[in-house]
Amino acid sequence: AQTVTQSQPEMSVQEAETVTLSCTYDTSESDYYLFWYKQPPSRQMILVIRQEAYKQQNATENRFSVNFQKAAKSFSLKISDSQLGDAAMYFCAYRKAAGNKLTFGGGTRVLVKP
Amino acid sequence: DSGVTQTPKHLITATGQRVTLRCSPRSGDLSVYWYQQSLDQGLQFLIHYYNGEERAKGNILERFSAQQFPDLHSELNLSSLELGDSALYFCASSVGVGSPNYGYTFGSGTRLTVV
Repeated sequence: AQTVTQSQPEMSVQEAETVTLSCTYDTSESDYYLFWYKQPPSRQMILVIRQEAYKQQNATENRFSVNFQKAAKSFSLKISDSQLGDAAMYFCAYRKAAGNKLTFGGGTRVLVKP
Repeated sequence: DSGVTQTPKHLITATGQRVTLRCSPRSGDLSVYWYQQSLDQGLQFLIHYYNGEERAKGNILERFSAQQFPDLHSELNLSSLELGDSALYFCASSVGVGSPNYGYTFGSGTRLTVV
């Protein structure tokens, strides 16, 4: 069974600085997708960024970028120029390419200090 | 507004009772997924329906059941409720099954409190 691990329960970052969230996963599949979701205090789940395993190029969405290391089964999220609105829980998630369900990590809480 | 509608937003009920949570997927989406999020934990997959048919089950208790209707809305039924069932229940939808690189669109969740 696939598992997703986020080893950092909480991270703190100064406004305008950069923070990196770690995520590792375990799978025997070669084709899959990885996602980062943001959950602010409103509890809404918001897709931040996604990565296809067959793509070597790391995905980027504005201030959010990932470092995808397929051999190491690592998928970290970098938030640059952190803003107060980035404060939230961040969940890493995995899905088999031909699958349906998302498997989530336990989440990392990001605190942004003004 | 994500396009996925969940009702009710909040529900408080007593142990032993039965409740029904409702989800209307985003227009055009055929797949509906249910997830449970207990306090400060990740989301746990419960069940997936595609175009009215059950496609996958996760760690869903026997006291829980779901269905997807012809108009594609879905209901999650929770019975014989226990205190430990208190959680945030999310519905998500997607276009299909195994759609390339798609994440899902989540609803805003139903907060269930069992007292």
